[in-house]
Order: sequence, then structure tokens, then C-alpha cells
Amino acid sequence: AQSVTQPDIHITVSEGASLELRCNYSYGATPYLFWYVQSPGQGLQLLLKYFSGDTLVQGIKGFEAEFKRSQSSFNLRKPSVHWSDAAEYFCAVPPGEKLTFGTGTRLTIIP
Amino acid sequence: GAVVSQHPSRVICKSGTSVKIECRSLDFQATTMFWYRQFPKQSLMLMATSNEGSKATYEQGVEKDKFLINHASLTLSTLTVTSAHPEDSSFYICSASSSPEQYFGPGTRLTVT
Repeated sequence: AQSVTQPDIHITVSEGASLELRCNYSYGATPYLFWYVQSPGQGLQLLLKYFSGDTLVQGIKGFEAEFKRSQSSFNLRKPSVHWSDAAEYFCAVPPGEKLTFGTGTRLTIIP
Repeated sequence: GAVVSQHPSRVICKSGTSVKIECRSLDFQATTMFWYRQFPKQSLMLMATSNEGSKATYEQGVEKDKFLINHASLTLSTLTVTSAHPEDSSFYICSASSSPEQYFGPGTRLTVT
């Protein structure tokens, strides 16, 4: 079955520092892959998605992610985080129309 | 971009009563909508797939008689929590499918007292 794993439950970074959130997938074929962000008490906002083509995907809010088939990974990166980036981040893969979410990574930003 | 709304955003109800949550796709038609439940500090758990004009498909372990889903039009799906109990208190999120993407509503916080 298709699945995603987010190894890091909680990450703390300093404002202005770089960020990488890990996501590993298990999928038979080339997957669609998504990253969502959720602020406290809010729904999910799509940051970026990978369907095919260029393996480096640019998203909103300065985020990017790189699809690496050899590592079954789709890690999310940002060169310089802002305090407003503090949130929960979810990686997801769709088996068909459904979405399977990772367990999420909570990002804390320290001044 | 596509917008999905949910109403209400917060609801408090007494144990034993029923509560209805609406999910609307505002600027596109969605033949398929999804209902998720999220416990504090946890990921989203898919409860059911709502298909316009047909019965919902429930995930394993989700009581269909307790969580009634109706998808009467291409822009509206409703989730009714029947005979609510405190353990039903949770954050409920819907999404509308524009395959292969899903667009999420802002969520509904249900508290059963």
C-alpha cells in the first residue's frame, strides 16, 4: 500500500536559518506528492506538488521540494525561515483520489 | 485558486444531540469530497469518501450510522454526527477533489459536552 513517512515529529530552527523537512514515500509507480501546511486550528494549505517532470518543485512562501526517486524522498526546504512559518507540515501521497498523510512535522521557530 | 468553505467553524453541542457540518466548494464542482478527522497533535484520518448522488464510502472502523454523509449536489456535502458523545469531540476537515488535487476547508471544531 502507498504510504509516506515523516521521520521528524518536531523540529526547532532559528529564524533566518535554513530548513529541511523529510518525507519518504512507499509507492509502486511514480507518485504524485504533496506538501501541506497547517496553522493551529486551521485547515490545510497546499505548499507545493510534484506530478512529473522537473524534480525540483517550487512552491508558495519560498518553499521548494526535491523528488529523489533513488531515495524515495520528497524533502521540503526553505533557505531562510520566518517566524510565520511555525506550523505543522504534512507530506501526502494519493492512492487514487484519496490522500494518505504522513504523521506531520511540527516546526517551531525561535528568535 | 479553488476555495472550500466549512460551516460552522466551531460548534458546541450536548451529549446525545446531533450536529451537521457543511462543506462547500465555492468556485468549482466536486463530484468527490472527503471527510477527515484530526485529533490534537495528530495527522488527518480519512473517515469517508463522499460521492455526489451516491452513497458515501466509509473507511474501516468508521460507523456509518453515526457519521451520516450526504452529497446532494456538486458543491455541497454534509456530515452529521448523530447522538454525539464527548469522544466525538474533534477537528473535522473536509476536502473537495479536483483530481489529482484536493482543496481543504478550514475545519470545524466540534466539542461535545
